[in-house]
Amino acid sequence: KNQVEQSPQSLIILEGKNCTLQCNYTVSPFSNLRWYKQDTGRGPVSLTIMTFSENTKSNGRYTATLDADTKQSSLHITASQLSDSASYICVVSARWDYKLSFGAGTTVTVRA
Amino acid sequence: NAGVTQTPKFQVLKTGQSMTLQCAQDMNHNSMYWYRQDPGMGLRLIYYSASEGTTDKGEVPNGYNVSRLNKREFSLRLESAAPSQTSVYFCASSPAGQGAHNEQFFGPGTRLTVL
Repeated sequence: KNQVEQSPQSLIILEGKNCTLQCNYTVSPFSNLRWYKQDTGRGPVSLTIMTFSENTKSNGRYTATLDADTKQSSLHITASQLSDSASYICVVSARWDYKLSFGAGTTVTVRA
Repeated sequence: NAGVTQTPKFQVLKTGQSMTLQCAQDMNHNSMYWYRQDPGMGLRLIYYSASEGTTDKGEVPNGYNVSRLNKREFSLRLESAAPSQTSVYFCASSPAGQGAHNEQFFGPGTRLTVL
């Protein structure tokens, strides 16, 4: 069964600090991996998408990495801002499969 | 350009009542989806419509029905609501299917409580 595990479940950081979120998956055969940001009370919004051949992708202060060999991804937030407070969801797509596999998300709280 | 819109935003039902959740997109996308999001779990696909005129079951379809009314609209119906259907429901759309690079765009969600 295709699974996506995220860690930690939640974290609290001070404004201006960095943090890294982890995503491990068992989806096979792998097609692509997306990171979504979900603000409280809103729908998820895509941050990055990476395919098998991509190791790193950035979107402003967000940098995602992918190691397809170990089936791990990370999302690094640099110089966090209060607006970064949200849930971050890892989503993995398998080739030839209509379904996406969603992680449960990591809730990030940024405090002043 | 509103993207994906959902109505209502909040709803409280009694067990056994029925209701329809509405979803519309103005991005001319072919594919539309209904998900539910429960605490501590990832989003789970209820039903999807790869294109106008087609619908298929997802991971958790029991207790739900859908209608792809036209290219823009995709509704989700609960015929006899149960407390287990208390959840946040998201509608999403994508240009064409769930394949590589087909980003899904999500609506704001409907928070449903069944008493």
